[in-house]
Amino acid sequence: DAGVIQSPRHEVTEMGQEVTLRCKPISGHDYLFWYRQTMMRGLELLIYFNNNVPIDDSGMPEDRFSAKMPNASFSTLKIQPSEPRDSAVYFCASSLKAGAYLYEQYFGPGTRLTVT
Amino acid sequence: AQKVTQAQTEISVVEKEDVTLDCVYETRDTTYYLFWYKQPPSGELVFLIRRNSFDEQNEISGRYSWNFQKSTSSFNFTITASQVVDSAVYFCALKSSASKIIFGSGTRLSIRP
Repeated sequence: DAGVIQSPRHEVTEMGQEVTLRCKPISGHDYLFWYRQTMMRGLELLIYFNNNVPIDDSGMPEDRFSAKMPNASFSTLKIQPSEPRDSAVYFCASSLKAGAYLYEQYFGPGTRLTVT
Repeated sequence: AQKVTQAQTEISVVEKEDVTLDCVYETRDTTYYLFWYKQPPSGELVFLIRRNSFDEQNEISGRYSWNFQKSTSSFNFTITASQVVDSAVYFCALKSSASKIIFGSGTRLSIRP
């Protein structure tokens, strides 16, 4: 299996620009998660989906952030407009299991976003 | 309030030494889950273990072992006979029934040859 695929691996953009991060989960996994990792705030869960439906988006920092999952094999995390404080590594993860096993996840390599 | 504390920011040991990574958690929920993840230099996180609040049995997996003690709200991770490949950042995490998963700040482990 190819694992969780994220693109781009690195993104540098200017403040105010729209940024779209992409994720392809492992085939057959029903759950998809977006995380953000920064030095200041550590690792944070932003949102997760089950069968393409957002279940918990309480971690999405503000309205500038949006996530979609149009089908079982693709998800996007969009930031519009981007700000320097959005600079972070964004991880996508997927999971086959529910309930107590939900967080036995497979992570992608991350997208390092730099907003100047 | 939920909280995970990994007081050890960095640990450095010589290869083949045993090393223990500490994790202390806070929650008012009686049902919760604890996790350890590894983040090697390549960057992606790797799930290591899940433990639920009703199972205090220690677990051993090869050179890795975990000690869960509810009395002290701790879920410590020990690597026996450490190897250079164990060098990584290790995160402890807590998920209770009423809240989303939260992560500790991580412990950077360096194994010197």
